[in-house]
Amino acid sequence: SQQGEEDPQALSIQEGENATMNCSYKTSINNLQWYRQNSGRGLVHLILIRSNEREKHSGRLRVTLDTSKKSSSLLITASRAADTASYFCATDGRETSGSRLTFGEGTQLTVNP
Amino acid sequence: DVKVTQSSRYLVKRTGEKVFLECVQDMDHENMFWYRQDPGLGLRLIYFSYDVKMKEKGDIPEGYSVSREKKERFSLILESASTNQTSMYLCASSLSLAGLGGETQYFGPGTRLLVL
Repeated sequence: SQQGEEDPQALSIQEGENATMNCSYKTSINNLQWYRQNSGRGLVHLILIRSNEREKHSGRLRVTLDTSKKSSSLLITASRAADTASYFCATDGRETSGSRLTFGEGTQLTVNP
Repeated sequence: DVKVTQSSRYLVKRTGEKVFLECVQDMDHENMFWYRQDPGLGLRLIYFSYDVKMKEKGDIPEGYSVSREKKERFSLILESASTNQTSMYLCASSLSLAGLGGETQYFGPGTRLLVL
């Protein structure tokens, strides 16, 4: 079953605008991570938020986590054309091994110049 | 700098062939993973390994096997390739944090396999 589900599936914005992507999950988690994938390439880790954290920042990225709603959001501020990629959330659940991650289906972000 | 390499970027095989996909990491990571990625289905875990000679099934192990004889190398084997195994295959590795979780996975560039 799909642990993480991103919303929306696709998002198209203009350069300079903010992009918000959401992730929902079903079971209790230890941590939630966001990854980025450029077309036809491997995934690259962006940021990790632990279950006892509510918000985290890294450069133009802001991640929030609401464990009561089992959801997370990734905000990219002042987007650039180079931010065009697919974005995935990944969780490590308390019922599974700490090393194993479950990925969502991803949000395809297109930033138009 | 962290590096995970995969033996091929593109591969074309025929139905029934035995296919080997190789993955090598240079970070001395204990954990290694094989995923396949298909449109609309995201990443699905095929097999993973916590240590040399150890393997565990992921969500979709049918039709696949793996081998980890050395810490740095994790091989995915398609015993008899079928057309429904046409996909993008991604290898990843991570450092073990002794059950604490939160390990970052480092991915290779992927192998796009076409089975005819």
